[in-house]
Amino acid sequence: GQNIDQPTEMTATEGAIVQINCTYQTSGFNGLFWYQQHAGEAPTFLSYNVLDGLEEKGRFSSFLSRSKGYSYLLLKELQMKDSASYLCAVRDAYSGAGSYQLTFGKGTKLSVIP
Amino acid sequence: TAGITQAPTSQILAAGRSMTLRCTQDMRHNAMYWYRQDLGLGLRLIHYSNTAGTTGKGEVPDGYSVSRANTDDFPLTLASAVPSQTSVYFCASSEQGNFVEQYFGPGTRLTVT
Repeated sequence: GQNIDQPTEMTATEGAIVQINCTYQTSGFNGLFWYQQHAGEAPTFLSYNVLDGLEEKGRFSSFLSRSKGYSYLLLKELQMKDSASYLCAVRDAYSGAGSYQLTFGKGTKLSVIP
Repeated sequence: TAGITQAPTSQILAAGRSMTLRCTQDMRHNAMYWYRQDLGLGLRLIHYSNTAGTTGKGEVPDGYSVSRANTDDFPLTLASAVPSQTSVYFCASSEQGNFVEQYFGPGTRLTVT
C-alpha cells in the first residue's frame, strides 16, 4: 500500500529556518512534490525532486533520498505569510497516456510566530 | 488566463439528492483529476482522466461518477449524496510527461445534511 508520513503541526519563529520531513513507502516512485496550501485556498506547487539531492528555489529547498524513502522541505528566513500547510506528494502510479497519479501525505500545518 | 475554475464555490445539499460539481480548465491540459480533502485525511484522489474520452478510478471512487466529453471540462456527479461526502472538492489538471506538476482549482465546499 501507499504510506506517506509527515508531522501534523510545526511552529517556528519569523526569520528562522524550519525543516519539514516526509517519509514514504509507495509501490512506485516517479518523483516527489511539495505543495503549499494556505487555509481556505487551493494547493500550489513549490518543488519537485526526482533524483537524489537538493533542489534550491529562493528561500525554499527540497531534498530527496530515494534509498531512504525520505524528503524534506527547508524554508529559510521565515515570513508570516509562510504560515500554511505543506503537502508532500509522491507520483507513484502510472495511469496511462503519459500521466501519473499523485498520492498525498496528510500535510504539515506550519505556524510562523513573531 | 483563468486556469481552472470550479462551480459552485460552496453548496449545502440534502442527503439523497444528486449534484454535479463543475470543473473547467483553459490550459489545454490532457490530464484532469478530482480530489476530496478532509481534515486529518489529506487529499485523496476520486477519479482521473488522462485524455478526453477516458476516465479512471482513484482511491475513493464509490458514490461518484465523472465524464470527459472534451479537453476542457471534467464534471463530478454525486448521484445520491450521503453525509460522508461532506468535504472540500478540488479539481486539478496537468500536462502529460515526467516533470510536470498538477494545477488546482479553487475548490468546492460541499455540505450534505
